[in-house]
Amino acid sequence: QKEVEQNSGPLSVPEGAIASLNCTYSDRGSQSFFWYRQYSGKSPELIMSIYSNGDKEDGRFTAQLNKASQYVSLLIRDSQPSDSATYLCALDHSGNTPLVFGKGTRLSVIA
Amino acid sequence: DAGVIQSTRHEVTEMGQEVTLRCKPISGHDYLFWYRQTMMRGLELLIYFNNNVPIDDSGMPEDRFSAKMPNASFSTLKIQPSEPRDSAVYFCASSFGGAGRSYEQYFGPGTRLTVT
Repeated sequence: QKEVEQNSGPLSVPEGAIASLNCTYSDRGSQSFFWYRQYSGKSPELIMSIYSNGDKEDGRFTAQLNKASQYVSLLIRDSQPSDSATYLCALDHSGNTPLVFGKGTRLSVIA
Repeated sequence: DAGVIQSTRHEVTEMGQEVTLRCKPISGHDYLFWYRQTMMRGLELLIYFNNNVPIDDSGMPEDRFSAKMPNASFSTLKIQPSEPRDSAVYFCASSFGGAGRSYEQYFGPGTRLTVT
């Protein structure tokens, strides 16, 4: 079983809709969870971090963590074409550095 | 803060040549990571340092790859000799580490290496 699993996509959503990106992980000891956005030809950019169960909101972005079910998700409200990118889920391994990255989900927001 | 600096954005070299990639981490960060990204394999961790000391180099693909961190503000990744299959984007990232918790990693802009 892969440590961090993400659907590779592409996930296509219309402009203004909610985009839902999901990530499952295998290590129950993971404590820190991150979402990175990577535009084509650019480096991964940290957009959200979450450390405890529940929701964390930042502008149009909401990260959701459920440690019992071992998943973390990212919701993007009012999706814009500029949100079109690959989104990488990352987490630690039992609280240790370094982070483990998923292969990413490609999001396409259609105008 | 200037962020993680990788001043060379594109590097083109011929097979068999030595190539050195350079990185300056964010000031105050005590972890530094070297990654390689390709379409096929995604983001791969090559090696990481803590307080300038290499901690895990198990991701380094071959002995042709080596990395150093002579001080807290500079690291190099060297490939000697280079091969076409080394063509990829190489990212440097840094973070501040804490006991029992991983902190956010910040990536540099990357160096796109092409070996002809």
